[in-house]
Amino acid sequence: DVKVTQSSRYLVKRTGEKVFLECVQDMDHENMFWYRQDPGLGLRLIYFSYDVKMKEKGDIPEGYSVSREKKERFSLILESASTNQTSMYLCASGGQEPQHFGDGTRLSIL
Amino acid sequence: RKEVEQDPGPFNVPEGATVAFNCTYSNSASQSFFWYRQDCRKEPKLLMSVYSSGNEDGRFTAQLNRASQYISLLIRDSKLSDSATYLCVVNKNYGQNFVFGPGTRLSVLP
Repeated sequence: DVKVTQSSRYLVKRTGEKVFLECVQDMDHENMFWYRQDPGLGLRLIYFSYDVKMKEKGDIPEGYSVSREKKERFSLILESASTNQTSMYLCASGGQEPQHFGDGTRLSIL
Repeated sequence: RKEVEQDPGPFNVPEGATVAFNCTYSNSASQSFFWYRQDCRKEPKLLMSVYSSGNEDGRFTAQLNRASQYISLLIRDSKLSDSATYLCVVNKNYGQNFVFGPGTRLSVLP
């Protein structure tokens, strides 16, 4: 069975902290994605990667960076967390489309 | 105008009813279209891709109208288990950058 695993289901951090969200997929997909989901705004793409060490900005990359050192792992980094980054973060991987999502990480920045 | 628009609902329908959702998109260069389903507090899951010729999967039928730039999802013989939020997804141009609609909430009532 296909699997996208996000490191944490719930996370609480403080303003100004550097936050790492990890995502691992076991389907050998080239493409991986990070989204955030907020009420009334839907899913918004932060960054995506179509190969190891390759990354592309999505619609809302400000305040975030990503790392793809290995094909199966895609990390989202909040350089200096702020309260407006409190959200549900979803990782996805896919061949031609983001078919498979992880369970999501509900991140709260205090 | 938003890139992908959907009626947020909720659509409250009795079991056995037929219900249809529409989704409009603004980018005429979009090539790939999908419907995802998201249950409360769960990750989105691919329901079906939408092809130019239209496609059917059991009780679900998806249609694409390129001229008017909308896609539709028809659910026949609604079941209680169909209650969820249905997300319309469109790719940007020819790349891997996907845009999710805000979702349409469906409640099937006994």
